[in-house]
Amino acid sequence: QSALTQPASVSGSPGQSFTISCTGTSSDVGSYNLVSWYQQHPGKAPKLLIYEVSKRPSGVSNRFSGSKSGNMASLTISGLQAEDEADYYCSSYAGSSTLVFGGGTKLTVL
Amino acid sequence: EVQLVQSGAEVKEPGESLRISCKGSGYIFTSYWIGWVRQMPGKGLEWMGVIFPGDSDVTYSPSFQGQVTISADTSISTAFLEWSSLKASDTAMYHCARTIRDCIGGSCYLSRIDLWGQGTLVTVSS
Repeated sequence: QSALTQPASVSGSPGQSFTISCTGTSSDVGSYNLVSWYQQHPGKAPKLLIYEVSKRPSGVSNRFSGSKSGNMASLTISGLQAEDEADYYCSSYAGSSTLVFGGGTKLTVL
Repeated sequence: EVQLVQSGAEVKEPGESLRISCKGSGYIFTSYWIGWVRQMPGKGLEWMGVIFPGDSDVTYSPSFQGQVTISADTSISTAFLEWSSLKASDTAMYHCARTIRDCIGGSCYLSRIDLWGQGTLVTVSS
């Protein structure tokens, strides 16, 4: 069970749209529509942004959206804001009652 | 308020044992799975395992199987993460995480983590 692959860091300017990729395998991302995305600000607990590939919990901005194709999932942030600067993690169900996280992506807002 | 409240920071020496806790409140504790997630200093999230307090069904990540023990006491709505012999490499922040499990057509899956504890920092050093 290997970690999902995410870019280590990305950066963008306010107002831009940005996509973070999350690549897994046919045993996790590719087999289940059970990809979640979490946002973590420094020193804080993670926060659920997206679940089941593209669903948003109540209270999460519609600037965040998710998608999946094959073994790769994506998180898109539109209208980038300074407060979006954080670490982002994907997660997928990996079978047999287990979850696997991605390595995390640090988003810097220029 | 629905929340998970974890026990405080710990400083231990290598070889010592330790149990940290995570108390759920504001919801039916026995109806939700509780997972544990490790975050080593400056690193990402690692899923360790999960327990269903209703029947103590536990699943471990292969990476953590045999290294830690996950348990729960429903009488106090609390989940635990335990080490019998700590190593310096166990130094990390540990988060408990309420995990949603959905069942469709007779098959059940872990869907997402919808609630996180504040984290417990464990430092292991001689």
